Amino acid sequence: SQQGEEDPQALSIQEGENATMNCSYKTSINNLQWYRQNSGRGLVHLILIRSNEREKHSGRLRVTLDTSKKSSSLLITASRAADTASYFCATVPRAGNMLTFGGGTRLMVKP
Amino acid sequence: NAGVTQTPKFQVLKTGQSMTLQCAQDMNHEYMSWYRQDPGMGLRLIHYSVGAGITDQGEVPNGYNVSRSTTEDFPLRLLSAAPSQTSVYFCASSLGQAANSPLHFGNGTRLTVT
Repeated sequence: SQQGEEDPQALSIQEGENATMNCSYKTSINNLQWYRQNSGRGLVHLILIRSNEREKHSGRLRVTLDTSKKSSSLLITASRAADTASYFCATVPRAGNMLTFGGGTRLMVKP
Repeated sequence: NAGVTQTPKFQVLKTGQSMTLQCAQDMNHEYMSWYRQDPGMGLRLIHYSVGAGITDQGEVPNGYNVSRSTTEDFPLRLLSAAPSQTSVYFCASSLGQAANSPLHFGNGTRLTVT
């Protein structure tokens, strides 16, 4: 079963707009990670946020974590056509050691 | 550094055939894992290893075997392929446990079982 679920499943925006993707999970976690996958390629790690952190930034990426709501969001600001990809959240339950992925959000950024 | 290398990139098997998907990493990572990716299902963990000589089952281990005789290599074996194993397979590695370290992924093996 999937620990994380992304929302929306698909998102289409214009270049320059911001894109927000959400992830909800079911059990307490050690950390939450976000990955990007370009078509036909492997996943690339974006950000890892620990359970005691609330917000983290990396360039145009901003990740928030709300452990009380068991949810996280990934914000991509000033999107570019090159940001077109699928984005996945992944979690490790506090009592476990397996990283499990959600079904992903497919982002399309139109030039 | 080549990172995580998977071979082959594509493979077609007939039902009942066996094959080994190869995975090698040159980053001296202790942790390695295999995932399969199916449409609408995200990635599901098949097997993982926390170091040479140690392997454990993931979420969907049935029909697959693994071994970890060296730090660098983590092959995935399909003993008797079934159409349900048609999928894209990803190998990933990390310096430490997946709980605390980012995973580095290979580019995948696309397997079709007819």
